[in-house]
Amino acid sequence: EPEVTQTPSHQVTQMGQEVILRCVPISNHLYFYWYRQILGQKVEFLVSFYNNEISEKSEIFDDQFSVERPDGSNFTLKIRSTKLEDSAMYFCASSTDRGRTDTQYFGPGTRLTVL
Amino acid sequence: EDQVTQSPEALRLQEGESSSLNCSYTVSGLRGLFWYRQDPGKGPEFLFTLYSAGEEKEKERLKATLTKKESFLHITAPKPEDSATYLCAVQAYAGGYNKLIFGAGTRLAVHP
Repeated sequence: EPEVTQTPSHQVTQMGQEVILRCVPISNHLYFYWYRQILGQKVEFLVSFYNNEISEKSEIFDDQFSVERPDGSNFTLKIRSTKLEDSAMYFCASSTDRGRTDTQYFGPGTRLTVL
Repeated sequence: EDQVTQSPEALRLQEGESSSLNCSYTVSGLRGLFWYRQDPGKGPEFLFTLYSAGEEKEKERLKATLTKKESFLHITAPKPEDSATYLCAVQAYAGGYNKLIFGAGTRLAVHP
């Protein structure tokens, strides 16, 4: 069964450093997403991406964040200068969004720890 | 503002003891309501999508139902392997067309 994959599973970084989180969405999906979950809190939407551009972003997704689909398979989230409060699980998701159906399938997540 | 509230926050059941989890929502035009299961340290695993009031979906010991204001996830004769956090999320037609708005989840523990 196709699934979303993410690397690395755990990333430890120093405050102020840049990190890139990587995702491989399900191959025939067209919409890609990043969500995050701070420990003990709700899953929060960050950004959606379609047709090589951002279709929507949340207030959390400020200028420190960027997304890219550098090739036909990968989807990345870059945090330019990490802060302590960026420590969270980051989940990538993808969907087909054909008509009424838009089930988003999530990856296993990357745990980001900012020291 | 679109909002999702889940109750209870935590639920402890004995194996075989059926129960229901609640998801109340306020949304400006419901496009879909989703149930996910999340194990500790893992990503949400898709269970069901519901689109309109009166709709029901079943999978093994789980059954999801939808009304105009809430959804229920019924668990029949649960087993210890059903222990997880169950997340409810909604998608609205207005505003963020594709984004999911999640509730805080219900942590279910099923004991033998």
